[in-house]
Amino acid sequence: GAVVSQHPSRVICKSGTSVKIECRSLDFQATTMFWYRQFPKQSLMLMATSNEGSKATYEQGVEKDKFLINHASLTLSTLTVTSAHPEDSSFYICSASDVRATYNEQFFGPGTRLTVL
Amino acid sequence: LAKTTQPISMDSYEGQEVNITCSHNNIATNDYITWYQQFPSQGPRFIIQGYKTKVTNEVASLFIPADRKSSTLSLPRVSLSDTAVYYCLVGVPSGGSYIPTFGRGTSLIVHP
Repeated sequence: GAVVSQHPSRVICKSGTSVKIECRSLDFQATTMFWYRQFPKQSLMLMATSNEGSKATYEQGVEKDKFLINHASLTLSTLTVTSAHPEDSSFYICSASDVRATYNEQFFGPGTRLTVL
Repeated sequence: LAKTTQPISMDSYEGQEVNITCSHNNIATNDYITWYQQFPSQGPRFIIQGYKTKVTNEVASLFIPADRKSSTLSLPRVSLSDTAVYYCLVGVPSGGSYIPTFGRGTSLIVHP
């Protein structure tokens, strides 16, 4: 149990296009999901906290109009990178925790490798 | 949020025990300590979580001294497949206020 999936696993797009990444909790419900970005040989950097039914909370320095987050249900959050540029190329990872769990063990998705040409 | 400090890298050999220590001097009373493992191009994977003293599961042990200002992840008899980056996180695990924040992590390389 406690599986988080991401789709797509890898995407290559042209500069200026938009890319949507899906994060799903497959066998549990999550009121909160987190979105991270990881550059090569660096740690995970929190981008935003995605709250079901409400607006996402963005970390300082993350453009909310560029990285659109939608958390439409307790099992799905999406991250849309709008007008992507080469500097947005990175590894994007989401995480979620079971609302019923006593301890907030985070379950991470497998990540999405975005390459912007 | 409590800040953590870990060694950047460690080397070991197959079959040895590896201990990775994390410093978290300003850990709060309600904070728990959680360790994750990450392989290249994969999401982090939960290893172990604890609050005080010692916690053991099928893959690792976590030692936390009385002052809780540090913790040590112990991996018994490592194998080549344990080569990964290990992250120590602190925070209150329950409720909506928990935001898992990652430090730089420790890159463990296990040699044959």
